[in-house]
Amino acid sequence: ETGVTQSPTHLIKTRGQQVTLRCSSQSGHNTVSWYQQALGQGPQFIFQYYREEENGRGNFPPRFSGLQFPNYSSELNVNALELDDSALYLCASSAGGGEETQYFGPGTRLLVL
Amino acid sequence: KQEVTQIPAALSVPEGENLVLNCSFTDSAIYNLQWFRQDPGKGLTSLLLIQSSQREQTSGRLNASLDKSSGRSTLYIAASQPGDSATYLCAVQGSNYQLIWGAGTKLIIKP
Repeated sequence: ETGVTQSPTHLIKTRGQQVTLRCSSQSGHNTVSWYQQALGQGPQFIFQYYREEENGRGNFPPRFSGLQFPNYSSELNVNALELDDSALYLCASSAGGGEETQYFGPGTRLLVL
Repeated sequence: KQEVTQIPAALSVPEGENLVLNCSFTDSAIYNLQWFRQDPGKGLTSLLLIQSSQREQTSGRLNASLDKSSGRSTLYIAASQPGDSATYLCAVQGSNYQLIWGAGTKLIIKP
């Protein structure tokens, strides 16, 4: 059984650029959630995908968008990057889109200059 | 709006001590509360999940309690070890399945 993987591990972008982060969910899981974690803070919920449909969204602007593919892997896209988007981006997968334990990947560290 | 607070923000204790980390939340309408561990440069590892109908969960040297009515949870770590050094986060899950997180307690266990 493979765990949750994310790519890339680190990324440096400049303000105004666009970025795509990728997440492969744990085998057998059909739900992926994305979180943003600023330095010294707890994660903030961005959105969740369940069986390729968005299943909830946090307080993030529309320039944060996502996709879930038929194999349940997922992408997070951020357009028009701002300096405040610098953070650790975490994805988590779970088995059923509900109240069960979420399993986290190691994260992608994004730095916006 | 649900808010989660963790106290203290940082804690340093000698190896072997028992310790308690605190988590409080403002809205008692939760599905569950979870405790996670985060090591530097790494993702989050789930330690314990307490359903809203439960009072506590135990795993090895860890014991987590939940008091929904008072909006509090504690994570008890027995016989602490240097390997327990990490940031511990609690998160509550509400009706929309979102996890709302505290800012964490950074724990250092001194050998």
